[in-house]
Amino acid sequence: DIQMTQSPSTLSAYVGDRVTITCRASQSISGWLAWYQQKPDKAPKLLIHRASSLESGFPSRFSGSGSGTEFTLTISSLQPDDFATYYCQQYDSYPLTIGGGTKVEIK
Amino acid sequence: EVQLVEWGGGMVQPGRSLRLSCTTSGFNFGDYAMSWVRQAPGKGLEWVGLIRYRALGGTTEYAASVRGRFSISRDDSQSIAYLQMNSLRSEDTAVYYCTRAPTGNGYKYFFDYWGQGTLVTVSS
Repeated sequence: DIQMTQSPSTLSAYVGDRVTITCRASQSISGWLAWYQQKPDKAPKLLIHRASSLESGFPSRFSGSGSGTEFTLTISSLQPDDFATYYCQQYDSYPLTIGGGTKVEIK
Repeated sequence: EVQLVEWGGGMVQPGRSLRLSCTTSGFNFGDYAMSWVRQAPGKGLEWVGLIRYRALGGTTEYAASVRGRFSISRDDSQSIAYLQMNSLRSEDTAVYYCTRAPTGNGYKYFFDYWGQGTLVTVSS
């Protein structure tokens, strides 16, 4: 199974900060990576697929990059609505696996 | 508007069975794979399994933690996906989300729409 490791698990930041979340795969997944945003007591929402394709409805301050085993999600200027938990998911092979999540908190 | 609504959750004793349903609307159900993802209380997301669309044989894949106990099926005529859960254990307690999986990448699936989730509690 491909293990997905996110870091950090918790991140405290100020509004306006540039934030970077890392997701590492235990083996190469090419670019088959998705990111999700989950707010408390809500279902996750697809944020990015194919490592860097931003979903409509999300602002351009969100971006994704990477390939192979290392991927990043960047928020260029953190806004109050961005405080949430973010998950990465690999869909290169089965079983599909999801990272442990990164909770972005207000500092 | 794409909508997925799960129902059938509740409290069940260990060893018993439960079937979840996911009713959908707003898209051509038969053109998509469907998947289930769960989230234990206070924990992260865990993929449970998926069913491919008919053109790919409607075949299924499961996580090791549920393989042999859970099964996913679909009724394309009614646009409903099902998750049959047998031999339930306390560690299956979670919110279960139904998700839509776009099929544009062959067998590569991510989840572009999610239902609101239904809570399954396994306890005596």
